[in-house]
Amino acid sequence: KQEVTQIPAALSVPEGENLVLNCSFTDSAIYNLQWFRQDPGKGLTSLLLIQSSQREQTSGRLNASLDKSSGRSTLYIAASQPGDSATYLCAGGEGRRALTFGSGTRLQVQP
Amino acid sequence: EAGVVQSPRYKIIEKKQPVAFWCNPISGHNTLYWYLQNLGQGPELLIRYENEEAVDDSQLPKDRFSAERLKGVDSTLKIQPAELGDSAVYLCASSSGQSGPDEQYFGPGTRLTVT
Repeated sequence: KQEVTQIPAALSVPEGENLVLNCSFTDSAIYNLQWFRQDPGKGLTSLLLIQSSQREQTSGRLNASLDKSSGRSTLYIAASQPGDSATYLCAGGEGRRALTFGSGTRLQVQP
Repeated sequence: EAGVVQSPRYKIIEKKQPVAFWCNPISGHNTLYWYLQNLGQGPELLIRYENEEAVDDSQLPKDRFSAERLKGVDSTLKIQPAELGDSAVYLCASSSGQSGPDEQYFGPGTRLTVT
């Protein structure tokens, strides 16, 4: 059974700092890896999806990487802004099957 | 294009009462998921539909939870009777179900409080 772990559970950084969020998974037979953002009291917003055949995906200031052999994914946020404050969740997928989520990293970017 | 729609957004009920949640997926999406999210945790699957067929309901507590997706479009999740431990956010998601990366898109969720 796939297990997903996210470290750290919480992170506070000053505005403008570059940061890395970590995600590890136990089953390397992962089909895709999806990163989400969740604002308080809201649903999940998909940020990036990396297919198993890919190594990374980029969208604006966000870059996500996937290393199946080591069971790790990272989300890199460049030049962080207060508006980036949210909980970031990673999830491993197996095709159309349900995603297995980590517990999230709660990010606070201080002005 | 409209996203995944859920209603109600919030629901407060007393224990032992019934409750129902509704979800309308993105148009054309064949796969529909219901997830449960407890505070401080990631979502966990309750049930997955391919069109109108429930293909994975292994995590659904069938003694009190039921779901349906008539005509393979919108879906309803029901709890009867509700227990205090059912207080959580119920999220609906959909994906195209076609070949490819199969990205999942989530609705805003229904926050249930059982008193």
